[in-house]
Amino acid sequence: DAGVTQSPTHLIKTRGQQVTLRCSPISGHKSVSWYQQVLGQGPQFIFQYYEKEERGRGNFPDRFSARQFPNYSSELNVNALLLGDSALYLCASSLVPQVTLEAFFGQGTRLTVV
Amino acid sequence: KNQVEQSPQSLIILEGKNCTLQCNYTVSPFSNLRWYKQDTGRGPVSLTIMTFSENTKSNGRYTATLDADTKQSSLHITASQLSDSASYICVVSETASYDKVIFGPGTSLSVIP
Repeated sequence: DAGVTQSPTHLIKTRGQQVTLRCSPISGHKSVSWYQQVLGQGPQFIFQYYEKEERGRGNFPDRFSARQFPNYSSELNVNALLLGDSALYLCASSLVPQVTLEAFFGQGTRLTVV
Repeated sequence: KNQVEQSPQSLIILEGKNCTLQCNYTVSPFSNLRWYKQDTGRGPVSLTIMTFSENTKSNGRYTATLDADTKQSSLHITASQLSDSASYICVVSETASYDKVIFGPGTSLSVIP
């Protein structure tokens, strides 16, 4: 079985541009979460989606948005990129939103804003 | 404010030695605590997950402990290997309708020959 897959693996954008990151969860998982990990720090929660609805949102500006599709894959969009948005963006999938079970992470998308 | 703190920030040990990493948290209401291993530039991989009623859990050479009264957890690595070099992240979940998690900053472990 394929694990959580994210695309692209690396991305370079300039300030002010917009970016879309993609995540495909493990087959059968209906919940997808997004995290931002700045170099040298732990990940910060951005969004969680379950059954195509937003279930949770972290402390991120409205420039960050996401959606989940009928096949449970998800996209994270970031508008008006800032240098501070440079980070590793991680996606995690789980069977249900409340995690006493496992959440599995993808390898991440490394976004560099120049 | 809910927080997760880890110590030490970084650690260097010789191959074959044991080590213990610490995690203190102030998250409430508490749901579960997880330890992840993260190789540089990769996604975290789960090592253990413990709920309120669990005091210890092992996964091979990794053993995690949890003291819910003092809100402390530790991760003990025995007979370290070069491949154990990574960042170890403590993650605490609040009881919520979704996976409301707070990540610690991680401990960077380097195992040297």
